[in-house]
Amino acid sequence: DGGITQSPKYLFRKEGQNVTLSCEQNLNHDAMYWYRQDPGQGLRLIYYSQIVNDFQKGDIAEGYSVSREKKESFPLTVTSAQKNPTAFYLCASTISSGNTIYFGEGSWLTVV
Amino acid sequence: EDQVTQSPEALRLQEGESSSLNCSYTVSGLRGLFWYRQDPGKGPEFLFTLYSAGEEKEKERLKATLTKKESFLHITAPKPEDSATYLCAVPNPNTGNQFYFGTGTSLTVIP
Repeated sequence: DGGITQSPKYLFRKEGQNVTLSCEQNLNHDAMYWYRQDPGQGLRLIYYSQIVNDFQKGDIAEGYSVSREKKESFPLTVTSAQKNPTAFYLCASTISSGNTIYFGEGSWLTVV
Repeated sequence: EDQVTQSPEALRLQEGESSSLNCSYTVSGLRGLFWYRQDPGKGPEFLFTLYSAGEEKEKERLKATLTKKESFLHITAPKPEDSATYLCAVPNPNTGNQFYFGTGTSLTVIP
């Protein structure tokens, strides 16, 4: 079945460590996104990419990095520079700008 | 400033008690309004897209409507399994490749 796969579902990070969240889609979508969701707040955009080898910062890109080497894949690295990384991270994709955006199941990151 | 506002923040209904959720938007040049359902600890699940004022979409006990300033998600005779957070979103009218999300309405349906 087509969809967006995020892994791992749960991840624990020690302070000072970088961690990478995986996002893979087999929907043949051009655009991919990373959002962060905190309790009581709406979805906040971290990074997005419209085509391979190109990506743009969203509203809260500081402390995060991404790559888009393949159309299907858009991994997110949470670096040690991100001071408050504990959150629920959502990867999403859409076939093209303005069309329905679909989400993965999310990844929980906890700093210990 | 373009934005999306949802109300109420939380809603508790008795099973069978119909109600409506509101999503108001201030973007100019609407390029679609999207409704999602999100269960705890999961990603949002797409429900509906509305593109023009007067448009309506239905799915089981849910019906979404759109005016020039807001959208309503009507829930008719809800069941406990309808309990979830409902999110609405609109694309940035200038670029289309970013979305403005509301903070959601948390719906609890009591048996």
